[in-house]
Amino acid sequence: AQKITQTQPGMFVQEKEAVTLDCTYDTSDPSYGLFWYKQPSSGEMIFLIYQGSYDQQNATEGRYSLNFQKARKSANLVISASQLGDSAMYFCAMREVYSSASKIIFGSGTRLSIRP
Amino acid sequence: DVKVTQSSRYLVKRTGEKVFLECVQDMDHENMFWYRQDPGLGLRLIYFSYDVKMKEKGDIPEGYSVSREKKERFSLILESASTNQTSMYLCASSFSARLAGAPGSHNEQFFGPGTRLTVL
Repeated sequence: AQKITQTQPGMFVQEKEAVTLDCTYDTSDPSYGLFWYKQPSSGEMIFLIYQGSYDQQNATEGRYSLNFQKARKSANLVISASQLGDSAMYFCAMREVYSSASKIIFGSGTRLSIRP
Repeated sequence: DVKVTQSSRYLVKRTGEKVFLECVQDMDHENMFWYRQDPGLGLRLIYFSYDVKMKEKGDIPEGYSVSREKKERFSLILESASTNQTSMYLCASSFSARLAGAPGSHNEQFFGPGTRLTVL
């Protein structure tokens, strides 16, 4: 069965430092997609970045990059030069390509707090 | 911009009441989803729909039902609310298929602002 594991319930980071949020996954499907979402205190989930299982390069979107290590089944999110506005919950998620209706399963989340 | 709206941000109901949570999206998405979010548990899928009048159970459907009479609207119904249904409810929508490179082509889900439901 699919599973997403985020082992860091909470993290504190100094502003302007880089931060890595851990995510490991488990699936028997050779085709899958991995997502990271951000949830600020307002509650709305914001899509940040996507990595396909067959993508050769790690995904990047501005200050966000995804450190994809397929053999280790890990998909860590790296935020460079952290800002106060990065304080939020972060969820790692996975979709199996052949799942019905593109279902996604989510990890339990990591609460990131940026210190000024 | 993709817009997913939910009928209420905060809702307080009494045990045994019938509760309707409404979700509307304006991007012509085929798929719609209802999740509940509880601390330490992440998001858990209640029901989803991949077409009008079609629905499938998610991981925790007990105590809930859904309705999708129009493509843009997906309703979550608590037939008889109980205190253990106090939670944050999130609605989401996504495309089924999309040209590579187009927004939504990864089938990423777009979320509404959430409804925080308290059942007393």
